[in-house]
Amino acid sequence: RKEVEQDPGPFNVPEGATVAFNCTYSNSASQSFFWYRQDCRKEPKLLMSVYSSGNEDGRFTAQLNRASQYISLLIRDSKLSDSATYLCVVNSNAGNMLTFGGGTRLMVKP
Amino acid sequence: NAGVTQTPKFRVLKTGQSMTLLCAQDMNHEYMYWYRQDPGMGLRLIHYSVGEGTTAKGEVPDGYNVSRLKKQNFLLGLESAAPSQTSVYFCASSYDFIYTGELFFGEGSRLTVL
Repeated sequence: RKEVEQDPGPFNVPEGATVAFNCTYSNSASQSFFWYRQDCRKEPKLLMSVYSSGNEDGRFTAQLNRASQYISLLIRDSKLSDSATYLCVVNSNAGNMLTFGGGTRLMVKP
Repeated sequence: NAGVTQTPKFRVLKTGQSMTLLCAQDMNHEYMYWYRQDPGMGLRLIHYSVGEGTTAKGEVPDGYNVSRLKKQNFLLGLESAAPSQTSVYFCASSYDFIYTGELFFGEGSRLTVL
């Protein structure tokens, strides 16, 4: 089993839609969780951290479920510019590395 | 503000050739990393450094060597390139090791080994 797993997609949604991605992680001792965004043929960039109580940044909401070992990202009112690959990131078994999921591709259509 | 700069951006090698990828950062970060990204595999950590003069193995270190002689530079070397090393390589740096989660990435170096 991969340490961090994501549905690769693609998720094809119309503008204005709400879309959610989940990411599961295998190490119950993981403490830090993040979502990164990667545009096509570009470098990844931090989108947001994921806090235990859940957190929101504009149209983006991140949540953590420790019992089921997954994190989620909800995007409301999707924009064309949200089209990208979203990477789930978790600190590793050793605690001293960040492990990236394979990414979920989102395509927002007009 | 350059951030993290990688050179070269593209390279084609023949099996058995050697090369070095250079990463330079101007943010005075202590921590630097080399990742490779393959389709469907996500980014995998090759080697990392927690400060000048230090290096450590990541998840997939075999076939690679690194050096951090200066704080601002982190070099990734391939001594004898293999087709399995065809990938996109990303260098990254950060203020602290893990807990802020913010890695600053370079634009990537696309390597093809024939």
